[in-house]
Amino acid sequence: EPEVTQTPSHQVTQMGQEVILRCVPISNHLYFYWYRQILGQKVEFLVSFYNNEISEKSEIFDDQFSVERPDGSNFTLKIRSTKLEDSAMYFCASSESRGDTYEQYFGPGTRLTVT
Amino acid sequence: AQTVTQSQPEMSVQEAETVTLSCTYDTSENNYYLFWYKQPPSRQMILVIRQEAYKQQNATENRFSVNFQKAAKSFSLKISDSQLGDTAMYFCAFKGAQKLVFGQGTRLTINP
Repeated sequence: EPEVTQTPSHQVTQMGQEVILRCVPISNHLYFYWYRQILGQKVEFLVSFYNNEISEKSEIFDDQFSVERPDGSNFTLKIRSTKLEDSAMYFCASSESRGDTYEQYFGPGTRLTVT
Repeated sequence: AQTVTQSQPEMSVQEAETVTLSCTYDTSENNYYLFWYKQPPSRQMILVIRQEAYKQQNATENRFSVNFQKAAKSFSLKISDSQLGDTAMYFCAFKGAQKLVFGQGTRLTINP
């Protein structure tokens, strides 16, 4: 069964460093998403991406964040200068379409720890 | 903006019992989807069940069923014959056009 994959599973970085989180969505999917979950809190939407551009983003997704689909398979989230409060689990998701009938499939997540 | 509220931070039941997790939401949209996700200690998000707002019939997936009350904007999850493997965080989620909006979660513990 096709699945969304994410690498690395755990990333430790120092405050102020840049990090890139990688995702490989399901191959025939067209919509891609990043969500964040700070430990003990709910999952929060960051950004959605379609046709090589951002289709929606939340207030959390400020200028420190960027997304990219550098080739036909990868979908990346970059945090330019990490802060302590960026420590969280980051989930990538993809869906076949944005229509209501299409559910989002989640990857296993990347745990980001900023020290 | 949509909001999702789960009023039970934690619940605990004995194995084989039935448990119901509550969820309410707020939206002005008429067409939307509702989901329950399970998050075990591995922290992976696993879809448990989904409900289309235009369907009156409540969704059922084996031991999992929902009670969807559209007018009341309520969407509860019932787990029958609970098993130890059901121990996890459960998140209720709303989906309109694109993004998922999640509730705060309910930590469910099934005791042997």
